[in-house]
Amino acid sequence: EAQVTQNPRYLITVTGKKLTVTCSQNMNHEYMSWYRQDPGLGLRQIYYSMNVEVTDKGDVPEGYKVSRKEKRNFPLILESPSPNQTSLYFCASRQSGTDTQYFGPGTRLTVL
Amino acid sequence: QQQVKQSPQSLIVQKGGISIINCAYENTAFDYFPWYQQFPGKGPALLIAIRPDVSEKKEGRFTISFNKSAKQFSLHIMDSQPGDSATYFCAASRGDSWGKLQFGAGTQVVVTP
Repeated sequence: EAQVTQNPRYLITVTGKKLTVTCSQNMNHEYMSWYRQDPGLGLRQIYYSMNVEVTDKGDVPEGYKVSRKEKRNFPLILESPSPNQTSLYFCASRQSGTDTQYFGPGTRLTVL
Repeated sequence: QQQVKQSPQSLIVQKGGISIINCAYENTAFDYFPWYQQFPGKGPALLIAIRPDVSEKKEGRFTISFNKSAKQFSLHIMDSQPGDSATYFCAASRGDSWGKLQFGAGTQVVVTP
Protein backbone atom coordinates (compact mmCIF):
# COMPACT_ATOMS: atom_id res chain seq x y z
CA GLU A 1 0.00 0.00 0.00
CA ALA A 2 1.34 3.42 -0.99
CA GLN A 3 1.84 5.43 2.16
CA VAL A 4 3.80 7.87 4.26
CA THR A 5 4.60 6.60 7.73
CA GLN A 6 5.74 8.54 10.78
CA ASN A 7 7.12 7.40 14.10
CA PRO A 8 6.40 7.87 16.86
CA ARG A 9 2.75 8.89 16.64
CA TYR A 10 2.77 10.40 20.11
CA LEU A 11 5.69 11.71 22.12
CA ILE A 12 5.96 13.53 25.42
CA THR A 13 9.40 14.83 26.29
CA VAL A 14 11.14 17.47 28.37
CA THR A 15 12.86 20.67 27.38
CA GLY A 16 16.32 20.16 25.94
CA LYS A 17 16.17 16.41 25.33
CA LYS A 18 17.11 15.72 21.71
CA LEU A 19 14.57 13.80 19.69
CA THR A 20 14.02 12.53 16.17
CA VAL A 21 10.74 11.96 14.38
CA THR A 22 11.10 9.58 11.48
CA CYS A 23 9.28 9.78 8.16
CA SER A 24 9.34 7.18 5.42
CA GLN A 25 7.53 6.89 2.08
CA ASN A 26 7.30 3.89 -0.22
CA MET A 27 6.24 5.72 -3.38
CA ASN A 28 9.73 6.67 -4.63
CA HIS A 29 8.79 10.36 -4.41
CA GLU A 30 11.54 12.91 -4.91
CA TYR A 31 9.97 15.66 -2.86
CA MET A 32 9.39 15.45 0.90
CA SER A 33 8.51 18.06 3.48
CA TRP A 34 7.63 18.61 7.11
CA TYR A 35 4.75 20.74 8.36
CA ARG A 36 3.53 21.65 11.81
CA GLN A 37 -0.15 22.15 12.55
CA ASP A 38 -1.28 24.57 15.23
CA PRO A 39 -4.83 25.69 16.06
CA GLY A 40 -5.83 28.81 14.16
CA LEU A 41 -2.70 28.70 12.00
CA GLY A 42 -3.30 25.74 9.72
CA LEU A 43 -0.20 23.90 8.57
CA ARG A 44 3.12 25.65 8.13
CA GLN A 45 6.10 24.22 6.33
CA ILE A 46 9.25 23.62 8.41
CA TYR A 47 11.72 22.12 5.90
CA TYR A 48 11.55 20.47 2.54
CA SER A 49 13.75 18.29 0.37
CA MET A 50 13.83 18.15 -3.41
CA ASN A 51 15.86 14.94 -3.48
CA VAL A 52 18.62 13.05 -1.69
CA GLU A 53 21.07 15.43 0.00
CA VAL A 54 19.07 18.49 -1.12
CA THR A 55 17.13 20.29 1.59
CA ASP A 56 15.97 23.83 2.26
CA LYS A 57 14.15 25.88 4.87
CA GLY A 58 10.41 26.39 4.85
CA ASP A 59 8.53 29.12 6.71
CA VAL A 60 9.27 28.07 10.30
CA PRO A 61 12.66 26.27 10.40
CA GLU A 62 14.02 27.65 13.68
CA GLY A 63 14.82 24.91 16.18
CA TYR A 64 14.62 22.08 13.65
CA LYS A 65 17.05 20.10 11.51
CA VAL A 66 16.50 17.59 8.76
CA SER A 67 18.55 15.21 6.66
CA ARG A 68 17.87 13.28 3.47
CA LYS A 69 20.42 10.52 3.08
CA GLU A 70 18.06 8.10 1.39
CA LYS A 71 15.20 8.85 -0.96
CA ARG A 72 12.56 7.17 1.18
CA ASN A 73 13.46 8.72 4.56
CA PHE A 74 13.29 12.29 5.81
CA PRO A 75 13.76 12.52 9.60
CA LEU A 76 12.98 15.66 11.59
CA ILE A 77 15.44 16.42 14.38
CA LEU A 78 14.84 18.66 17.38
CA GLU A 79 18.27 19.16 18.97
CA SER A 80 16.98 21.02 22.03
CA PRO A 81 13.18 20.97 22.11
CA SER A 82 11.32 23.82 23.78
CA PRO A 83 7.67 24.09 24.86
CA ASN A 84 6.83 26.26 21.83
CA GLN A 85 7.56 23.24 19.65
CA THR A 86 4.59 21.43 21.15
CA SER A 87 2.53 20.76 18.06
CA LEU A 88 1.15 18.22 15.60
CA TYR A 89 3.73 17.37 12.94
CA PHE A 90 3.08 16.02 9.47
CA CYS A 91 5.44 14.63 6.89
CA ALA A 92 4.40 14.79 3.23
CA SER A 93 5.75 13.54 -0.07
CA ARG A 94 5.10 14.33 -3.72
CA GLN A 95 6.17 12.91 -7.04
CA SER A 96 8.18 15.34 -9.12
CA GLY A 97 6.05 16.82 -11.90
CA THR A 98 2.79 16.33 -10.03
CA ASP A 99 0.89 18.52 -7.58
CA THR A 100 -0.62 16.09 -5.11
CA GLN A 101 1.09 15.85 -1.74
CA TYR A 102 0.51 12.76 0.39
CA PHE A 103 0.55 13.29 4.12
CA GLY A 104 1.53 10.93 6.89
CA PRO A 105 -0.73 10.27 9.90
CA GLY A 106 0.94 12.87 12.11
CA THR A 107 3.07 12.93 15.25
CA ARG A 108 1.70 14.71 18.30
CA LEU A 109 4.62 16.14 20.25
CA THR A 110 4.40 17.63 23.73
CA VAL A 111 7.45 19.35 25.20
CA LEU A 112 7.22 19.96 28.96
CA GLN B 1 1.25 36.41 8.49
CA GLN B 2 -1.09 33.94 6.88
CA GLN B 3 -0.98 34.17 3.09
CA VAL B 4 -4.32 32.40 2.69
CA LYS B 5 -7.24 33.56 4.82
CA GLN B 6 -10.03 31.04 5.42
CA SER B 7 -13.52 31.46 6.84
CA PRO B 8 -15.55 30.47 8.74
CA GLN B 9 -13.60 28.79 11.54
CA SER B 10 -16.41 26.34 12.09
CA LEU B 11 -19.71 25.45 10.53
CA ILE B 12 -22.66 23.31 11.47
CA VAL B 13 -24.96 22.11 8.70
CA GLN B 14 -27.86 19.72 8.61
CA LYS B 15 -27.71 16.54 6.59
CA GLY B 16 -28.65 17.35 3.01
CA GLY B 17 -27.65 20.98 3.32
CA ILE B 18 -24.88 22.93 1.57
CA SER B 19 -21.58 23.71 3.28
CA ILE B 20 -19.65 26.70 1.94
CA ILE B 21 -16.09 27.57 2.94
CA ASN B 22 -14.31 30.64 1.61
CA CYS B 23 -10.65 31.48 1.10
CA ALA B 24 -8.85 34.61 -0.03
CA TYR B 25 -5.25 35.18 -1.04
CA GLU B 26 -3.04 38.11 -1.95
CA ASN B 27 -0.15 36.59 -3.88
CA THR B 28 -1.04 36.64 -7.57
CA ALA B 29 1.83 34.23 -8.27
CA PHE B 30 -0.18 31.37 -6.74
CA ASP B 31 -1.26 29.00 -9.50
CA TYR B 32 -2.53 25.91 -7.72
CA PHE B 33 -5.37 25.87 -5.19
CA PRO B 34 -6.14 22.56 -3.46
CA TRP B 35 -8.57 21.71 -0.72
CA TYR B 36 -7.56 19.14 1.87
CA GLN B 37 -9.88 17.14 4.12
CA GLN B 38 -8.69 15.99 7.52
CA PHE B 39 -10.42 13.55 9.86
CA PRO B 40 -9.48 13.38 13.56
CA GLY B 41 -6.24 11.48 14.08
CA LYS B 42 -5.41 11.44 10.37
CA GLY B 43 -3.26 13.44 8.03
CA PRO B 44 -4.78 15.83 5.49
CA ALA B 45 -5.84 14.20 2.22
CA LEU B 46 -6.36 15.96 -1.10
CA LEU B 47 -10.05 16.44 -1.81
CA ILE B 48 -10.14 18.57 -4.95
CA ALA B 49 -7.92 21.17 -6.60
CA ILE B 50 -8.16 23.89 -9.23
CA ARG B 51 -5.86 26.02 -11.35
CA PRO B 52 -6.64 29.65 -12.30
CA ASP B 53 -7.46 28.87 -15.92
CA VAL B 54 -10.93 27.61 -14.94
CA SER B 55 -13.59 29.21 -12.75
CA GLU B 56 -15.20 26.07 -11.44
CA LYS B 57 -14.38 22.42 -10.89
CA LYS B 58 -16.80 19.77 -9.72
CA GLU B 59 -16.09 16.30 -8.39
CA GLY B 60 -19.14 14.51 -7.13
CA ARG B 61 -20.73 16.58 -4.35
CA PHE B 62 -17.69 18.85 -4.03
CA THR B 63 -17.24 21.98 -6.13
CA ILE B 64 -14.52 24.62 -6.15
CA SER B 65 -15.49 28.09 -7.37
CA PHE B 66 -12.58 30.33 -8.31
CA ASN B 67 -12.66 34.10 -8.80
CA LYS B 68 -9.29 35.23 -10.10
CA SER B 69 -10.06 38.97 -10.14
CA ALA B 70 -11.26 38.90 -6.52
CA LYS B 71 -8.46 36.53 -5.48
CA GLN B 72 -10.96 34.27 -3.79
CA PHE B 73 -11.94 30.65 -4.01
CA SER B 74 -14.50 28.57 -2.20
CA LEU B 75 -15.50 24.99 -1.54
CA HIS B 76 -19.14 23.96 -1.78
CA ILE B 77 -20.25 20.63 -0.34
CA MET B 78 -23.64 19.75 -1.74
CA ASP B 79 -26.03 17.35 -0.01
CA SER B 80 -23.77 17.29 3.06
CA GLN B 81 -23.55 13.94 4.85
CA PRO B 82 -22.48 13.07 8.42
CA GLY B 83 -19.41 11.38 6.90
CA ASP B 84 -18.32 14.80 5.59
CA SER B 85 -17.76 15.97 9.18
CA ALA B 86 -14.08 16.89 9.15
CA THR B 87 -11.70 19.82 9.09
CA TYR B 88 -11.19 21.38 5.66
CA PHE B 89 -8.12 23.34 4.68
CA CYS B 90 -7.71 25.49 1.62
CA ALA B 91 -4.18 25.99 0.35
CA ALA B 92 -2.24 27.65 -2.43
CA SER B 93 1.14 27.22 -4.03
CA ARG B 94 3.34 28.78 -6.69
CA GLY B 95 4.84 26.91 -9.58
CA ASP B 96 8.38 27.95 -8.62
CA SER B 97 8.09 27.00 -4.94
CA TRP B 98 8.73 23.24 -5.16
CA GLY B 99 5.08 22.77 -4.33
CA LYS B 100 5.23 24.46 -0.93
CA LEU B 101 1.66 24.77 0.23
CA GLN B 102 0.45 27.86 2.08
CA PHE B 103 -2.52 26.69 4.15
CA GLY B 104 -5.55 28.49 5.47
CA ALA B 105 -6.37 28.13 9.18
CA GLY B 106 -8.95 25.42 8.60
CA THR B 107 -12.73 25.06 8.95
CA GLN B 108 -14.29 22.45 11.18
CA VAL B 109 -17.47 21.19 9.54
CA VAL B 110 -20.07 19.27 11.52
CA VAL B 111 -22.96 17.70 9.67
CA THR B 112 -25.85 16.84 11.96
CA PRO B 113 -28.12 13.87 11.17
